[in-house]
Parts: sequence; structure tokens; C-alpha cells
Amino acid sequence: GAVVSQHPSWVICKSGTSVKIECRSLDFQATTMFWYRQFPKQSLMLMATSNEGSKATYEQGVEKDKFLINHASLTLSTLTVTSAHPEDSSFYICSAGGNRGPTDTQYFGPGTRLTVL
Amino acid sequence: GNSVTQMEGPVTLSEEAFLTINCTYTATGYPSLFWYVQYPGEGLQLLLKATKADDKGSNKGFEATYRKETTSFHLEKGSVQVSDSAVYFCARRGKAAGNKLTFGGGTRVLVKP
Repeated sequence: GAVVSQHPSWVICKSGTSVKIECRSLDFQATTMFWYRQFPKQSLMLMATSNEGSKATYEQGVEKDKFLINHASLTLSTLTVTSAHPEDSSFYICSAGGNRGPTDTQYFGPGTRLTVL
Repeated sequence: GNSVTQMEGPVTLSEEAFLTINCTYTATGYPSLFWYVQYPGEGLQLLLKATKADDKGSNKGFEATYRKETTSFHLEKGSVQVSDSAVYFCARRGKAAGNKLTFGGGTRVLVKP
């Protein structure tokens, strides 16, 4: 199957700093990628849909100025958590694929664990 | 709106026991249905999928059948192993939602030797 990678796998930062997380589709092109957030022992919450060459579409309640998404190429999307605070600590997961319709499979990255001190 | 409901865990089993995780979904938009598995500290992996009524998805001994009449997609495995300990997510994706997946709350499964 297709492979989606994320970097870094974990990061610890100080409050007030910004953190960038990369999501790459390694063996396929993805015009659309998705960013999720997962709290401990909970399900995934869709944050935004990242569209190559255009602005991301954010879900209701997600601050676009807080979570900056850039989809500069068909294989790379980045999520930047700006001015991070402890409440931003979470597991962030991206997915890619499924561009050929709802029956097509989405593939998920391994996730990035962010801890804000 | 679209939703997926799955049984709450944790589900604790002994090795070689039969596993069933119930999942029901909203039927609007003739969705495709998926089961994903998340091992500790990792992202999600697709376990199996079914794209239309009566389809059966299967993988690694797991099976799930798309039941339109009961709007269900229950996951089953006849003989679980310790390595099956993970969190299992049921998900739907319909045409009206574009490519967005809607996940159930997840079911944690613990298999004891």
C-alpha cells in the first residue's frame, strides 16, 4: 500500500514557540491531505483539509491563524502550530490519498506527538 | 449529520477468543465503510474496507460485512492473538462529504495470553 510519512515523530517545545510538522506521501501524489488531532484515548478530530496550491479548509472551531497549513507540492503538506501553548499538546496525524472518490483509501501517517512545556 | 457509533471499550479477551466490535453508521450518501487499527504510539493503518452493500472486507483474519438493512459494519475475528491488542476505529466516507472520513470513538482491545 501507499506510504505516508511524518516528521518529526515527536517534538517538545517551550510555550510561545512555533512548531512545524511535515507530512509526505512517499510513493504517490496527493492533491488533498488531511490533518487530524487526537487526544489521549479519544478518536481523531479532523482539523483541516489541505489542498495543493490553494488555501486549506478548516473545520469549525479550528483557528486558522493558530494552525497554519501549507500544501506546496503534490507530496508535501506542513502544519505549523504557532505560539504553542500546553493545551496544544496532542498527537497530530495526517492522511493522504482517496482523491479518486469516497471508495478510494486514505493512508495515514504515523503521527507526531507534540508536547508543549 | 453523518456519524459512526461503535461499542465502547475496553474489550479484554483471552488469546484465541472470538472478537466482535459493533459499528453502526448513518446511511445517507451510500457511504464507503472502513476499519482502521491503531497500535500503541502509532498512527492508523487501514485494516479493511467495503464500498457497497453486502461487500465483505477481510484482512489478517478480520472480517466485516456491509449490512445496509441494519446500517452496521461489525468487525469480527475468530481467534485473537496478543498482537491484536490495539485500538480499532470504524469510519465512513460518503460522496456528499467529499473525501472526509467520519470516525467512531474507537474501541480499545486488550488480548491477554
